[in-house]
Amino acid sequence: NAGVMQNPRHLVRRRGQEARLRCSPMKGHSHVYWYRQLPEEGLKFMVYLQKENIIDESGMPKERFSAEFPKEGPSILRIQQVVRGDSAAYFCASSSQGSEAFFGQGTRLTVV
Amino acid sequence: QKEVEQDPGPLSVPEGAIVSLNCTYSNSAFQYFMWYRQYSRKGPELLMYTYSSGNKEDGRFTAQVDKSSKYISLFIRDSQPSDSATYLCAMRGNSGYSTLTFGKGTMLLVSP
Repeated sequence: NAGVMQNPRHLVRRRGQEARLRCSPMKGHSHVYWYRQLPEEGLKFMVYLQKENIIDESGMPKERFSAEFPKEGPSILRIQQVVRGDSAAYFCASSSQGSEAFFGQGTRLTVV
Repeated sequence: QKEVEQDPGPLSVPEGAIVSLNCTYSNSAFQYFMWYRQYSRKGPELLMYTYSSGNKEDGRFTAQVDKSSKYISLFIRDSQPSDSATYLCAMRGNSGYSTLTFGKGTMLLVSP
């Protein structure tokens, strides 16, 4: 039973380009969470999605960031017109409703 | 006051020592408490998952929750060099749609 799968593991983008981060939840999980982690910082909540619905996006920046979790396929975190400050590790976690969350290995985004 | 406070360390101990890691929190709505272990450049790995106050033991790990003091602990017995990692506490409310709030993590170094 595969765990939470994130890809790519490493992503390099030039300023102004778009970044797309993918997350496939564990089998049987329909809840997905995205977190951002900066060096020496904890995990900061960004967005919580259930299939086809955004449950909580209170941690998402108002501009350039969006997330989706379609009926079929992985969850996508999309960052448009990336800036250097977007460089971070982005982690996805999944759970079934109300249960413990399991994390993927993360995508490390570097903006040059 | 941050919602979840955790000493960043580093905490350095010799092999075989008993380690105590702690978090305090301010939100009395938190009901579920977790400890994650994160190795460098890896995703967080769930170690312990507890509900409300009390103790839970799993091998060398014991989690304690004191809701009256808003204080949680993770004890590691017979610590090993392989335990060297960052330990993150996390907590959430009772709703099936609540998200995890993390501490910043404590770095633990166990020397042989």
